[in-house]
Amino acid sequence: GAGVSQTPSNKVTEKGKYVELRCDPISGHTALYWYRQSLGQGPEFLIYFQGTGAADDSGLPNDRFFAVRPEGSVSTLKIQRTERGDSAVYLCASSLLSAGGGGELFFGEGSRLTVL
Amino acid sequence: QKEVEQNSGPLSVPEGAIASLNCTYSDRGSQSFFWYRQYSGKSPELIMSIYSNGDKEDGRFTAQLNKASQYVSLLIRDSQPSDSATYLCAVYGNNRLAFGKGNQVVVIP
Repeated sequence: GAGVSQTPSNKVTEKGKYVELRCDPISGHTALYWYRQSLGQGPEFLIYFQGTGAADDSGLPNDRFFAVRPEGSVSTLKIQRTERGDSAVYLCASSLLSAGGGGELFFGEGSRLTVL
Repeated sequence: QKEVEQNSGPLSVPEGAIASLNCTYSDRGSQSFFWYRQYSGKSPELIMSIYSNGDKEDGRFTAQLNKASQYVSLLIRDSQPSDSATYLCAVYGNNRLAFGKGNQVVVIP
């Protein structure tokens, strides 16, 4: 498709389990972002990739969270030992340029994670 | 202090009226400013970007930027029921786009 694709759209898991969330950006977009959005809040920055490398991972809340983008396209956000507080919508966005370069961020529809 | 502040509660406006939304930011070095619209259960979509002081108009939307006061605003003229959504202010700095918590706008027919 033409837009940012995220899978799964919904994920329900039990506390302590491992979860992977996938993002397929718009073809040709070099910048990729992960955000987390809780109910009633704005998106919270997690990590930014420029190509294959994580240019800024300072938003990852702790070492249970990790993200990769091995070939500079698809990215996977990995959450170990999930906790109930991890429940949120995880948004992925891509951009032809970095946001600072005036690039518009295109968001996927998000992956809703529920940790029971 | 949060990076991007949107403090107003839900805003109800009659159809055809002007909706006014405000946002302040903390990083004086920020250079790029955006307004995103988010419908309930959907992802954010960009509606306006502004980079220099003053006004920028696009259809029924006008963004205003005052870097000295670290203030960004959005005006929606001739509000329509389809404008009912949450509006997110976003500011680029330090390699990231920081979002405010958003302001809900309800346009009453």
